Amino acid sequence: LAKTTQPISMDSYEGQEVNITCSHNNIATNDYITWYQQFPSQGPRFIIQGYKTKVTNEVASLFIPADRKSSTLSLPRVSLSDTAVYYCLVGAGTALIFGKGTTLSVSS
Amino acid sequence: GAGVSQSPSNKVTEKGKDVELRCDPISGHTALYWYRQSLGQGLEFLIYFQGNSAPDKSGLPSDRFSAERTGGSVSTLTIQRTQQEDSAVYLCASSGRRKSAYNEQFFGPGTRLTVL
Repeated sequence: LAKTTQPISMDSYEGQEVNITCSHNNIATNDYITWYQQFPSQGPRFIIQGYKTKVTNEVASLFIPADRKSSTLSLPRVSLSDTAVYYCLVGAGTALIFGKGTTLSVSS
Repeated sequence: GAGVSQSPSNKVTEKGKDVELRCDPISGHTALYWYRQSLGQGLEFLIYFQGNSAPDKSGLPSDRFSAERTGGSVSTLTIQRTQQEDSAVYLCASSGRRKSAYNEQFFGPGTRLTVL
């Protein structure tokens, strides 16, 4: 399974755009890139998934360059409720490896 | 519809005792996963069930840990002779069949295990 590297923590203010980058140099051809969000005392929740280029949903955008060795989760206009841990995962089916994730703290 | 449920929500036990943790996946989901999350840490994969296939037990930390899934639905994670380092939140997730290569995992609320 491809190993991922992402920042341990990030700070932001309400209304700003937040970009969290994940490195996955050993990504395999059939691997997808998936991001999860976890609030305290809750299980992780799926945010977005992509294979290449750009994916956008109502919550976030995911940018994946052509070499797929990294990906960037973009959260537009964050609010206090976006304070959470964000996990980047790479794989195809079966169980995936969750790292320590990125703790995003949003302040007013 | 109903999500993934886990019971108990909290379990306090004494060192050396056995514990059983239960997971009820979303109806119809064929895959079921167990993870462990220690305080301030990421999720640690434990075991994965997919349909009638043999489970992937590669994440189980020791032979004190075991899990079964009966009738392709409910799963029980058993920890024998609990140790203090087993204290953590145990999370269960399930996923169903989709056309994409990756099946979104839906997580339960977890069971917080405290070993005294």
